[in-house]
Amino acid sequence: AQSVAQPEDQVNVAEGNPLTVKCTYSVSGNPYLFWYVQYPNRGLQFLLKYITGDNLVKGSYGFEAEFNKSQTSFHLKKPSALVSDSALYFCAVRDNFNKFYFGSGTKLNVKP
Amino acid sequence: DAGITQSPRHKVTETGTPVTLRCHQTENHRYMYWYRQDPGHGLRLIHYSYGVKDTDKGEVSDGYSVSRSKTEDFLLTLESATSSQTSVYFCAISEEMGDQPQHFGDGTRLSIL
Repeated sequence: AQSVAQPEDQVNVAEGNPLTVKCTYSVSGNPYLFWYVQYPNRGLQFLLKYITGDNLVKGSYGFEAEFNKSQTSFHLKKPSALVSDSALYFCAVRDNFNKFYFGSGTKLNVKP
Repeated sequence: DAGITQSPRHKVTETGTPVTLRCHQTENHRYMYWYRQDPGHGLRLIHYSYGVKDTDKGEVSDGYSVSRSKTEDFLLTLESATSSQTSVYFCAISEEMGDQPQHFGDGTRLSIL
């Protein structure tokens, strides 16, 4: 069965510092992995995806993610955090039947 | 933003009443999904549709039913609402190709008293 784990409920980082939001997955076959961001009272917005190819993928708003097959991880990163990055972040995996499985979410707090 | 409209955006109702939430898309995507979002649980799939009149259950389908009579509309019905169904409900759509992400509506906040 497919599953996604986000081990941190909350991540705190100072503005200007690098940030990492962790995600590990379990999937049969090749993984289709996604990161989404959610702002208050809004739906999830797509940030980036890994399908195949380079292990480092770049997405919207300066975010990137590193795929590591041996560790079954897909961590979200940004070199320099902004206060406006504060939001709820979700990792997801898509199976061969076009169903998506989401982690429980990580709240990112970026302090000035 | 993808053309997804959820209605109503907010609803308060009483236990035991039927409730229907509507999701309307203008993207002509084949796949549509209903999720509920609760603190500590992330998003959990209720039902999804892979075409007109083609639906399947998700992980938390008990107490919910769905219908899709047109490509653009996907309805979620709570036959007899319970307080445990108080939640924020999100509709999502996706294209058929596996490398494409989902796109989400802005949610319906449902309170059952």
